[in-house]
Amino acid sequence: DSGVTQTPKHLITATGQRVTLRCSPRSGDLSVYWYQQSLDQGLQFLIQYYNGEERAKGNILERFSAQQFPDLHSELNLSSLELGDSALYFCASSVAQGTGETQYFGPGTRLLVL
Amino acid sequence: AQSVTQLGSHVSVSEGALVLLRCNYSSSVPPYLFWYVQYPNQGLQLLLKYTSAATLVKGINGFEAEFKKSETSFHLTKPSAHMSDAAEYFCAVSVSGGSNYKLTFGKGTLLTVNP
Repeated sequence: DSGVTQTPKHLITATGQRVTLRCSPRSGDLSVYWYQQSLDQGLQFLIQYYNGEERAKGNILERFSAQQFPDLHSELNLSSLELGDSALYFCASSVAQGTGETQYFGPGTRLLVL
Repeated sequence: AQSVTQLGSHVSVSEGALVLLRCNYSSSVPPYLFWYVQYPNQGLQLLLKYTSAATLVKGINGFEAEFKKSETSFHLTKPSAHMSDAAEYFCAVSVSGGSNYKLTFGKGTLLTVNP
């Protein structure tokens, strides 16, 4: 158990819908990262927050957005969902932000868009 | 930009045999390198990481990896495979500079251990 929690574990929805994925980092961790894992793209970095502020963006679609709240939990919002958005979404956290910081991963949310 | 190449999407070994999972990186600056393991239906767990302190890095579950700058490699090894080692293994790189501390992952290597 990494100490990172993600809810829900599974999510099934229809195209065009909007969903919210939630992540609670390890106690004391200030930095939160979101990754998408799909069969064709592998593990791709989406976005990073540090202490409530967005710090870096990766291959995140404009239909996706995220935020980190004062209690440091984070939410990833996916809208106008398409079939291709079906994937496993991971949240990771680290104590600080830095190149050598270990990122601890949550169990993921498996999204299926029908 | 940094990148990682994992040679072999699927490696199969017998129980008790040597495990060797290959990872090559590309980076214009000194990298930080990581190996993560993903068991079925679970998240990623850190096995070990290289942060320039020592070229031979020991991790959990008997795994180790050696950083070879001249070969731009960071291969993962374990002397004797156990059935419980069956999982997918990911090599990842992170480089200093800028404000993006993302991990860039390889495509993964699925390890099968045969009895």
